[in-house]
Amino acid sequence: AQSVAQPEDQVNVAEGNPLTVKCTYSVSGNPYLFWYVQYPNRGLQFLLKYITGDNLVKGSYGFEAEFNKSQTSFHLKKPSALVSDSALYFCAVPGSSNTGKLIFGQGTTLQVKP
Amino acid sequence: EAGVAQSPRYKIIEKRQSVAFWCNPISGHATLYWYQQILGQGPKLLIQFQNNGVVDDSQLPKDRFSAERLKGVDSTLKIQPAKLEDSAVYLCASSLDSGNNQPQHFGDGTRLSIL
Repeated sequence: AQSVAQPEDQVNVAEGNPLTVKCTYSVSGNPYLFWYVQYPNRGLQFLLKYITGDNLVKGSYGFEAEFNKSQTSFHLKKPSALVSDSALYFCAVPGSSNTGKLIFGQGTTLQVKP
Repeated sequence: EAGVAQSPRYKIIEKRQSVAFWCNPISGHATLYWYQQILGQGPKLLIQFQNNGVVDDSQLPKDRFSAERLKGVDSTLKIQPAKLEDSAVYLCASSLDSGNNQPQHFGDGTRLSIL
């Protein structure tokens, strides 16, 4: 079955420092991978996706993600964190039924301190 | 473009009562999803529509949950009777179609509290 894992419940970084939010995946076939962000009392917002091609994917708000097939990882990164990046981040993969439904990780809370 | 609209934003009911949620997807989006997000967890799909047909309802507790999208546009999700374990945020999402490469656009959700 398709699945993703986010090994960290919370990541703390200082403003201006680089950030990484980790995600590993387990899929059959070629993976499609997504990152979403959720601000308090809001729905999820799409950040970026990996379909095929370049292993470094650029997305919204200065975020990027690196696809690593050998390590089955798709970590979210940003060179310089902002306090406003503080939110809940979800990694996701489509289910095996090829209908577009998403299987989400548990989520990682990112806390950026001034 | 207008985003996915959901109402109400908050609902408090007692167990065994019934409740309904409404969703209006982005105009032109054929695929509509209802997810349940329990506190501390990622969203879990309840039901997926393609136009007015059900694509996947394998995780929908059909003894108490029902959903419809009669005209292939807006949708309602109902719970009857509610249980304490149904306390969660119910998220509606839409996408252009059901392809695995399509990003989904989410509404702000309905937070349901069962007393």
